[in-house]
Amino acid sequence: QVQLQQWGAGLLKPSETLSLTCAFNGGSFSNYYWIWIRQPPGKGLEWIGEMNDSGRSNYNPSLKSRVTISLDTSKKQFSLRLSSVTAADTAVYYCASRREYSFEFDPWGQGTLVTVSP
Amino acid sequence: QSALTQPPSASGSPGQSVTISCSGTSSDVGGYDYVSWYQQHPGKAPKLMIYEVNKRPSGVPDRFSGSKSGNTASLTVSGLQAEDEADYYCCSYAGSNNKIFGGGTKLTVL
Repeated sequence: QVQLQQWGAGLLKPSETLSLTCAFNGGSFSNYYWIWIRQPPGKGLEWIGEMNDSGRSNYNPSLKSRVTISLDTSKKQFSLRLSSVTAADTAVYYCASRREYSFEFDPWGQGTLVTVSP
Repeated sequence: QSALTQPPSASGSPGQSVTISCSGTSSDVGGYDYVSWYQQHPGKAPKLMIYEVNKRPSGVPDRFSGSKSGNTASLTVSGLQAEDEADYYCCSYAGSNNKIFGGGTKLTVL
């Protein structure tokens, strides 16, 4: 059974770079897309972007200029970097996965609250 | 791209049925059979309940069902139980490798 465990810094200052990592266990790293999704406090979900093990990436157009998703296949980990953060980037960030030819997100990581404050 | 439109709240008594709508456009909900639904309890990660409009993952009770008509998808919860009280989010493929979520619906079991 695939499981995702995530971690990263929870408090940032404006203009800093957010960095989170998610580890995968329970199966093959191949034939999946590895995904980041966020949820501002009290608000809905927002798809940030994804990457597969071949290096193909897709990003939310509204965040594309600031987002980088990368994979470390040897460690079965993937990471999110979001540059030049502001208070609007304060959210719970989730990692998730989807099979290559599907569009549903399952499973999800436990979530990491990232707060941006001066 | 705008978020899909969901009612902010829905409610029903135990044993009743409730339907939550998710409205989009022909570029997302109406254009693809890739609508999924997620259940989120407070402080928890979302959980997949329905995928590809009307398919249930293993372990999801058959009280949960999905459908789509035109640009609107729907999630129906039959035989409401107390543990169904949660936030529900729809999500659709929106073309060009984009995915968009609905704003979420808080389901209250009265």
